[in-house]
Amino acid sequence: QVQLQESGPGLVEPSGTLSLTCAVSGASISSTDWWSCVRQPPGKGLEWIGQIYHTGITTYNPSLKSRVTLSVDESKNHFSLTLTSMTAADTAVYYCATSSYYRVEFRGQGTMVTVSS
Amino acid sequence: QSALTQPASVSGSPGQSITISCAGTTSDVGGYNYVSWYQHHPGKAPRLMIFDVSNRPSGVSNRFSGSKSGNTASLTISGLQAEDEADYYCSSYTTSSTYVFGTGTKVTVL
Repeated sequence: QVQLQESGPGLVEPSGTLSLTCAVSGASISSTDWWSCVRQPPGKGLEWIGQIYHTGITTYNPSLKSRVTLSVDESKNHFSLTLTSMTAADTAVYYCATSSYYRVEFRGQGTMVTVSS
Repeated sequence: QSALTQPASVSGSPGQSITISCAGTTSDVGGYNYVSWYQHHPGKAPRLMIFDVSNRPSGVSNRFSGSKSGNTASLTISGLQAEDEADYYCSSYTTSSTYVFGTGTKVTVL
């Protein structure tokens, strides 16, 4: 069973950059899975951020595409999310997930990221 | 892409059946049979309840069922139980090879 563990900074300053890592266990990141990130702002709904395949192929939410980058590190068996120009609207719980077979499956417990000075 | 439209809240008494709708477009819900449903209890990770419109993952009660007609998908919970009280989200794969979630529905067991 694939499990994912999110690691994030907890607090990001306005206009700063979020770097979040999703560690993969129970599978190789070079398997046939797609890897996704999803977020949920406080009191709001779920928002899909984007996905990446181990070869580096990515697709992103059009509303975030200009600020988002997903990357894979096969040697560390993890993938990473970078989100630039952070504002208060980016405050959310960020989840790591798989998105193979045309469905998102949440494999991590999520990590809270707050944008504040 | 716009979020799929769900009712903000649905309620029912124990033992009753409720249905949650999920309205999209021909670019998402209507485009493929790739609609999923999630149960989300606060503080926990969302749990996949239905995939590919009407399929249940192993371990999900058969009280949960899904369907689709045109651009609208539905989740039905029969024999409502107190433990079913949670937020529910639909999601669809899109013709742009992305995913979109619904606005979310709070289910209350009276």
